[in-house]
Amino acid sequence: EVQVVESGGGLVEPGGSLRLSCAVSGFTFTDAWMSWVRQAPGKGLEWVGRIKSRTDGETTEYAAPVKGRFTISRDDSKNTLYLQMNSLQTEDTGVYYCTRSQCGRGCPGLNWFDPWGQGTLVTVSS
Amino acid sequence: EIVLTQSPVTLSLSPGERATLSCRASQSVNSYLAWYQQKPGQAPRLLIFDASNRATGIPARFSGSGSGTDFTLTISSLEPEDFAVYYCQQRINWPLTFGGGTKVEIK
Repeated sequence: EVQVVESGGGLVEPGGSLRLSCAVSGFTFTDAWMSWVRQAPGKGLEWVGRIKSRTDGETTEYAAPVKGRFTISRDDSKNTLYLQMNSLQTEDTGVYYCTRSQCGRGCPGLNWFDPWGQGTLVTVSS
Repeated sequence: EIVLTQSPVTLSLSPGERATLSCRASQSVNSYLAWYQQKPGQAPRLLIFDASNRATGIPARFSGSGSGTDFTLTISSLEPEDFAVYYCQQRINWPLTFGGGTKVEIK
């Protein structure tokens, strides 16, 4: 059974930092390209960033609003994905989803997302 | 950035009716478009990838069509569990972007 489980969300003051984790089972994490997608309260979905597998260089891509503040990393020995969030702003508030980026190496185009975790809530407020 | 515009914003229908949802891209995305369903308090679920390919386990009443800039998600006969918000997503250019969503509600 595929499981994607995020953790680490919570309340943080503007300017603060938080690290989210995403534990994966049920598929070969070492081969997987992974993404974070967020959703502000009552709003739509926003892609945050992606990391390739170690085999494919572990390169990352980020959305403009988070570039330079957020860092995605992975620990294949723990089947875990991370999102380090620094200099948090109130507009970063939302549910953060971890998801597998489908259509990776050798596949034309970029990625769609499947499966998804249940999300973890990040609230940035003073 | 490619902007995806979904219409209508809200669709009010009864169970058993046909639902037709639209997604229009600001520039061509070829067939690189996916559809997701999201129910309240739940994560999104992949329905369709590359415009017309149903994801694993998705019922046949869900179908996708289109290419270039105009796409359609059709639910042939609404079941009670289909009332939800639906998002489209393009994967041709960075940043990956989603549409604003269409809420399918019970009439």
